[in-house]
Amino acid sequence: GAGVSQSPSNKVTEKGKDVELRCDPISGHTALYWYRQSLGQGLEFLIYFQGNSAPDKSGLPSDRFSAERTGGSVSTLTIQRTQQEDSAVYLCASSLQLGGISYEQYFGPGTRLTVT
Amino acid sequence: TQLLEQSPQFLSIQEGENLTVYCNSSSVFSSLQWYRQEPGEGPVLLVTVVTGGEVKKLKRLTFQFGDARKDSSLHITAAQPGDTGLYLCAGVRGGSNYKLTFGKGTLLTVNP
Repeated sequence: GAGVSQSPSNKVTEKGKDVELRCDPISGHTALYWYRQSLGQGLEFLIYFQGNSAPDKSGLPSDRFSAERTGGSVSTLTIQRTQQEDSAVYLCASSLQLGGISYEQYFGPGTRLTVT
Repeated sequence: TQLLEQSPQFLSIQEGENLTVYCNSSSVFSSLQWYRQEPGEGPVLLVTVVTGGEVKKLKRLTFQFGDARKDSSLHITAAQPGDTGLYLCAGVRGGSNYKLTFGKGTLLTVNP
C-alpha cells in the first residue's frame, strides 16, 4: 500500500514569508508525528498527533510554528515569518496506535525547506 | 547537550570490512531503535531492542542493547556497498512510548 507522502518535496522561500508543509499519513494510522532534520542538530521531534488532537507540542521551537490535523488524516505544518535557521528537512511519520501503545513509525521522504 | 551520542560521525571503509557503530547515553531508555536513512528518503526502522543485554541479528547486522539500557551498538560484518547510508539510533524513554530521541547519526560509505 501507499506509504507516507509529503508535499512539496522542496520549498525555497524568502525570509519573512509563511510556508505550509503537508503530510498524508498511511491510511488507518491514528498517530502522526513531525520531525525536523538539520545538519547541526540531527533529527528532532516537533509535535505528536493522536487523531486530530496534539497532546505533545513540546518540540515546536517557537510560536511561529504551528500544526493541525483534520479528519484524522492529513496534517499541515505551518511556519510563519520564516527565518534562515528554519532551513531543514521536515519529516512526517505515522504509526498505528492501539490500547495507548504506539507502534513502528513510518517516515515520509520529507520536505526540504530553504529560507533565503 | 545531545542525549544520545553516536560515534563515529563518519565512516568510510572498503567492501568486505567489518565495522561497529556506537550509541551512548547517560540516560536509561525503555527501548532503543536503529534506523537507516538514504538520501532523499525518510529513516527506515531496522530493529528495536527492549531488554538490557539483548542481541538481535538481521543478516550481517548485529545489534546489542547494553545491560543498563543506556547504550547500544550496531556491528556490520563484511560490509557491502548497499550498506551505505546514514545510521541513526533513537531511544524511547519511560513515560512516553512514542517520542523518539535521535542521535545525530553515523554516515557510512562502503567503497567497492
